[in-house]
Amino acid sequence: EAGVTQFPSHSVIEKGQTVTLRCDPISGHDNLYWYRRVMGKEIKFLLHFVKESKQDESGMPNNRFLAERTGGTYSTLKVQPAELEDSGVYFCASSQDLGDLQTQYFGPGTRLLVL
Amino acid sequence: AQSVTQLDSHVSVSEGTPVLLRCNYSSSYSPSLFWYVQHPNKGLQLLLKYTSAATLVKGINGFEAEFKKSETSFHLTKPSAHMSDAAEYFCVVSPRAGTASKLTFGTGTRLQVTL
Repeated sequence: EAGVTQFPSHSVIEKGQTVTLRCDPISGHDNLYWYRRVMGKEIKFLLHFVKESKQDESGMPNNRFLAERTGGTYSTLKVQPAELEDSGVYFCASSQDLGDLQTQYFGPGTRLLVL
Repeated sequence: AQSVTQLDSHVSVSEGTPVLLRCNYSSSYSPSLFWYVQHPNKGLQLLLKYTSAATLVKGINGFEAEFKKSETSFHLTKPSAHMSDAAEYFCVVSPRAGTASKLTFGTGTRLQVTL
């Protein structure tokens, strides 16, 4: 069974540009989460999808961040325009909708550097 | 609300000696607790989890953790460290067992294993 995949693995952009990160959850997982780790800080929650609906977006830092999950499969996280403080590692995770709901399986992360 | 405190940012042990990574948590509900590990340039891997069953939890690679409600602790241990254990370890809490919701991470403990 394939795990959570994320694309790209690395991205280097200039301040003011737009970047879109993609996450493919484990097949059949309705719950999809985004987290990020800014340099020197802890990993923090951004938002939670259940299928295509945003269940909890309390961690989204501001309106420059837009997450979508059309069709309830893969998700994208767009940052527009990017700022220096957006640099960090963005993790995606997914979990089941039945049974073991709490266990989240993480992707390898996208390392974003904004110059 | 929930929070996690990892008491040591860095731990250094000699190969073959025991490992102890300390974690204290705070949660308003009966939480689920996890330990994740991140090896250099890799994603987050689940080591073990506590979800209100047995208080002593065994994980992969010889790690185990004990849930102590009276002490609000979930320390991670391993009897004998191996060089391959060198990584960053995260103690994580999910607010309510049995639900799909955001995870709260500790700040991480970087484990160094020396010869």
